[in-house]
Amino acid sequence: QSVLTQPPSVSAAPGQKVTISCSGTSSNIGNSYVSWYQQLPGTAPKLLVYDNNKRPSGIPDRFSGSKSGTSATLAITGLQTGDEAVYYCGTWDSNLNAYWVFGGGTKVTVL
Amino acid sequence: QQQLQESGPGLVKPSETLSLTCSVSGGSIKSTSYYWGWIRQPPGKGLEWIGSIHYRGSTHYNPSLKSRVAMSVDSSKNQFSLKLTSVTAADTAIYYCVRQYGDYWFDPWGRGTLVAVSS
Repeated sequence: QSVLTQPPSVSAAPGQKVTISCSGTSSNIGNSYVSWYQQLPGTAPKLLVYDNNKRPSGIPDRFSGSKSGTSATLAITGLQTGDEAVYYCGTWDSNLNAYWVFGGGTKVTVL
Repeated sequence: QQQLQESGPGLVKPSETLSLTCSVSGGSIKSTSYYWGWIRQPPGKGLEWIGSIHYRGSTHYNPSLKSRVAMSVDSSKNQFSLKLTSVTAADTAIYYCVRQYGDYWFDPWGRGTLVAVSS
């Protein structure tokens, strides 16, 4: 059971848009920045979005992040077959014993 | 561009200690801005943060693993290490080393190393 809640899967056709939600509480998402990671099959996760809505160099603007209250969202527009991956949200949880927490991951399927 | 590479045994016996090292290249581990961490992923499952260490020695550990985890830094070798004691089959996972920016994000990640716990 992950501290952050993500849908197990989302899907859409090429060129369409998908959104992935990440739900938390006031001790984690509500109190810290959220980052998102993309894990392509058989590879290590890669930083996709940091500080809620910033993209590292080299990440296309088709990927965007947002945060409101205790929830965060990752949006992928212009979906491509190469975007098929598992996406994880993560943030710092400051409840009693501070530690980093992840969502359970969302599998994106391009139909 | 910094790169990280994990190394260590791929098989550990139950009740023994798992030991991994992460070698950092392309930059010094002695940065005031970063912590150096470990994240693991059981086969087919999600990510679990194990903990992180600053080159000056301060550490943060996942409360669920804190009693069994120890991390250290060897600045002279630009490496940091993980020890996890009293392992069981539940500790079987791919172990990734990461650079952690404050409480905020992880980048880059090592390629990961699979550690199996089995007799």
